[in-house]
Amino acid sequence: ETGVTQSPTHLIKTRGQQVTLRCSSQSGHNTVSWYQQALGQGPQFIFQYYREEENGRGNFPPRFSGLQFPNYSSELNVNALELDDSALYLCASSLLAGEQFFGPGTRLTVL
Amino acid sequence: GESVGLHLPTLSVQEGDNSIINCAYSNSASDYFIWYKQESGKGPQFIIDIRSNMDKRQGQRVTVLLNKTVKHLSLQIAATQPGDSAVYFCAENIGDRGSQGNLIFGKGTKLSVKP
Repeated sequence: ETGVTQSPTHLIKTRGQQVTLRCSSQSGHNTVSWYQQALGQGPQFIFQYYREEENGRGNFPPRFSGLQFPNYSSELNVNALELDDSALYLCASSLLAGEQFFGPGTRLTVL
Repeated sequence: GESVGLHLPTLSVQEGDNSIINCAYSNSASDYFIWYKQESGKGPQFIIDIRSNMDKRQGQRVTVLLNKTVKHLSLQIAATQPGDSAVYFCAENIGDRGSQGNLIFGKGTKLSVKP
């Protein structure tokens, strides 16, 4: 098991609502990357945070936003939820340019 | 556009046999590739990586082969065990030098090992 934890493990929301997902990075890591994994698909890169600043972003709309805190933990916020946002959300922590260690993910269901 | 994909969505092998999982990539500028294993209910787990200046890299029971001419990557698992049953993803790194962010994952191959 990696030292990366995510909360909550499961979440059910309705369309139009907002959600916040949390990630605690492995000790000593200063970089957190977030991915969305739809059922039966590979993870898709959302964005990466390095030392509290966004350090790269994938092809996701602005309603997907994030934060990284001084202790390097991170949040993913999604506004105006859509049905297609239902997925497993993974965070991965690393040192910049280092191997990424993934957490177990948060399963989000949007009804 | 850039993409990483897999030839076989499912693979079933007998315990003790060797497994080969294939992956095609389309971005010839990619210089770093990673294989991940994802078990049910867990996040992807790093298996092995390879840089584009190499064509083969070996780990414990696993070997990755890279053919840049045809933009093809493969993962070989020797003496496959039931614990190897999982979904395997190849990933391509298109981040800036010095960053391993923005991994592009393929669709995945489900490996089932029959006892």
